[in-house]
Amino acid sequence: DGGITQSPKYLFRKEGQNVTLSCEQNLNHDAMYWYRQDPGQGLRLIYYSQIVNDFQKGDIAEGYSVSREKKESFPLTVTSAQKNPTAFYLCASSTGDTVSGNTIYFGEGSWLTVV
Amino acid sequence: AQKITQTQPGMFVQEKEAVTLDCTYDTSDPSYGLFWYKQPSSGEMIFLIYQGSYDQQNATEGRYSLNFQKARKSANLVISASQLGDSAMYFCAMSLTDSWGKLQFGAGTQVVVTP
Repeated sequence: DGGITQSPKYLFRKEGQNVTLSCEQNLNHDAMYWYRQDPGQGLRLIYYSQIVNDFQKGDIAEGYSVSREKKESFPLTVTSAQKNPTAFYLCASSTGDTVSGNTIYFGEGSWLTVV
Repeated sequence: AQKITQTQPGMFVQEKEAVTLDCTYDTSDPSYGLFWYKQPSSGEMIFLIYQGSYDQQNATEGRYSLNFQKARKSANLVISASQLGDSAMYFCAMSLTDSWGKLQFGAGTQVVVTP
């Protein structure tokens, strides 16, 4: 079954701790993205990567870090520098081919709560 | 910068009736893609339909159709023959072709389908 897998689904973090959210895709997509969603709002882009070993900041990158060592994996670390990390985090991927307007697919998301 | 506006925060629709969800966008870039996603209470973001800015015909996917009026910069979603399972949050989103995957989302419309 092809798709995007995010883990864990629910995560609790103590203040001051770093936490890493996993995102794995077996769609052979070049591009991967991380979005954050706050209650009652749309999504905002945190980081994106269009190719292995390369990534760029999105609109709200402060307090987050990513790596892209493998095509299928794009983990997101929420650092202690992120002031308000409690949110729903969604990972997405696409082929990255802009000519054909390929669909952007999402994983099932991870709920992060700071306690 | 591009902007997506969804003016309907919520709406009720009776089962088997059609419903139109409004979406307007603002961009000066001529090349872009428009998306609609469904987000049920479980959180996952489900792709529904896509329209490219150069597409001549309105997109359709089963019970979903996109009423694309380029001059008005609107991309309304029409759901025909509503079902109880259509109850969810619906998001309109846009990506510029030269930065594919960097989606800009609207605030969403909550749809409740009643028997």
